[in-house]
Amino acid sequence: GENVEQHPSTLSVQEGDSAVIKCTYSDSASNYFPWYKQELGKGPQLIIDIRSNVGEKKDQRIAVTLNKTAKHFSLHITETQPEDSAVYFCAATRSGGSYIPTFGRGTSLIVHP
Amino acid sequence: DSGVTQTPKHLITATGQRVTLRCSPRSGDLSVYWYQQSLDQGLQFLIQYYNGEERAKGNILERFSAQQFPDLHSELNLSSLELGDSALYFCASSVEDAGKLFFGSGTQLSVL
Repeated sequence: GENVEQHPSTLSVQEGDSAVIKCTYSDSASNYFPWYKQELGKGPQLIIDIRSNVGEKKDQRIAVTLNKTAKHFSLHITETQPEDSAVYFCAATRSGGSYIPTFGRGTSLIVHP
Repeated sequence: DSGVTQTPKHLITATGQRVTLRCSPRSGDLSVYWYQQSLDQGLQFLIQYYNGEERAKGNILERFSAQQFPDLHSELNLSSLELGDSALYFCASSVEDAGKLFFGSGTQLSVL
């Protein structure tokens, strides 16, 4: 089955800095890579995703890159703000049917004002 | 608000007891997933239902069971509870694409 490794487990940055979270996956058949943000006391929320037919996707201050050859993908947050503080999860799966996303263990991002 | 409703938000019970967690998916979503989240294990997939039928099974203990009803709401039953079952239990739903999950706010289970 799929195995997803996520690093770092904790990331502390100053407001305005950039933050990068990296994930690797094992199943070369995986073709869909969502990222979730979990704020305290809430469930994870999808913030951005990427499919294997593109290498990069941006949405305002967040971007995701995918390297299919190396089987890794990354989340980039620019100009971090205190409200970006949360736990971020990456996941990998094949889209459709009964494929279940495999999640990384999460990265706790702390943005200091 | 994701549109997925989970009740109760908190549950405190004793070892050996049985509890039921309830989930109402987003309107129109046919798939329901249950996940367990603990500090050292991250998000662990338990089970998926699609339109009333079990579709996939993960690391779900034999003491745990689930079902999805005709109105598409789902229940997760946990029995013979142990201290180690204390965790946050999430329900998620999706239309079809397994990757895009919409999570509820979870049920925090504490087994004392």
